[in-house]
Amino acid sequence: DAGVIQSPRHEVTEMGQEVTLRCKPISGHDYLFWYRQTMMRGLELLIYFNNNVPIDDSGMPEDRFSAKMPNASFSTLKIQPSEPRDSAVYFCASSPGGREQFFGPGTRLTVL
Amino acid sequence: AQKITQTQPGMFVQEKEAVTLDCTYDTSDPSYGLFWYKQPSSGEMIFLIYQGSYDQQNATEGRYSLNFQKARKSANLVISASQLGDSAMYFCAMRERRDSNYQLIWGAGTKLIIKP
Repeated sequence: DAGVIQSPRHEVTEMGQEVTLRCKPISGHDYLFWYRQTMMRGLELLIYFNNNVPIDDSGMPEDRFSAKMPNASFSTLKIQPSEPRDSAVYFCASSPGGREQFFGPGTRLTVL
Repeated sequence: AQKITQTQPGMFVQEKEAVTLDCTYDTSDPSYGLFWYKQPSSGEMIFLIYQGSYDQQNATEGRYSLNFQKARKSANLVISASQLGDSAMYFCAMRERRDSNYQLIWGAGTKLIIKP
């Protein structure tokens, strides 16, 4: 059984560039979460979806961040334009019924 | 006010000893759930154990058990016979219902180092 798949695993980009992170949740899971983790702020919930519908995006830092879930098997997190302070590990997680969350391996983003 | 509190930022424990990682929580939702996750240095987040608020017995998964004291609002993780591979960050999290959906709230984590 494949777990949550994230791509890319590592991304290095320059300030001002657009960054798109991708996530494929576990089949059958109806919740999908996007997190950001840094040493300074720990694990932060950015946004989560239930049945492809965004439920709570209060954690999205600013308008430069957007997330979509066009279908049950795919989600994207986009940062445009990117800034050095966006450097972090971004995790996607999926969950059956809102119970335990299964995390992807994360995308390590570095913005120069 | 903090909803999930992990009071131990770091711990050193001798290999083969038992470990207790503290977690206290605060919620008004009667139907909540408590989780523990492990994050080794490689970075992945690994689900360890779950306890529902209505579960009568403490959850156990192999060497992991959850010491659930509802009246005290604590959900400590106990690792028996610790191993070097248990060295990692450990996060406590709580699921509570908000409106018609769930929210997962995370603690700040405890860094556990097992000494040989």
